[in-house]
Amino acid sequence: NAGVTQTPKFQVLKTGQSMTLQCAQDMNHEYMSWYRQDPGMGLRLIHYSVGAGITDQGEVPNGYNVSRSTTEDFPLRLLSAAPSQTSVYFCASSYGRAGNTIYFGEGSWLTVV
Amino acid sequence: GQNIDQPTEMTATEGAIVQINCTYQTSGFNGLFWYQQHAGEAPTFLSYNVLDGLEEKGRFSSFLSRSKGYSYLLLKELQMKDSASYLCAVRDRAGANNLFFGTGTRLTVIP
Repeated sequence: NAGVTQTPKFQVLKTGQSMTLQCAQDMNHEYMSWYRQDPGMGLRLIHYSVGAGITDQGEVPNGYNVSRSTTEDFPLRLLSAAPSQTSVYFCASSYGRAGNTIYFGEGSWLTVV
Repeated sequence: GQNIDQPTEMTATEGAIVQINCTYQTSGFNGLFWYQQHAGEAPTFLSYNVLDGLEEKGRFSSFLSRSKGYSYLLLKELQMKDSASYLCAVRDRAGANNLFFGTGTRLTVIP
């Protein structure tokens, strides 16, 4: 998964706290996205971006905000964390809007208590 | 809605061949992906099909039938390191690389 870096890898939050998951890629990829992965469910798309300044909602956007001020960075913000947001979060990127190879970051394990 | 189905678990013997099936019903179709995911790690890309037929890549092959909404991943000469989850994902439209994933098939390779 060279080139897509996520931080932090592990985080514990209290209900109501806010935090930002960082995602950066150094491959000059246009497309970036955030997924969450929960037991017994497939990865689900939260938000995505097809280029700097452009973002859109995926399947499960509620409770999350994103922005894309540069090509390299795509942070995911939890404004008021809830236990239902306990999950593993993956950032992904690809070159172009229909690239065959989508790279995933190493994941961020988030627990909300 | 998008519906992607694959078996939850499979077990196979080292050195054998295993086929993991995936069926999908989506509002559109612009490619099917297979990923491998070891426990606690990120998904890694295995294969991509957009046209009907078989794509072969070493010990891994993937097949697609768009008319049947069906794909399979074939793993040959199984090795212990192939024990992992295998994720089927469909891109429903061009213009954005958004994927819809199945729940994954956990494959256990036994000696």
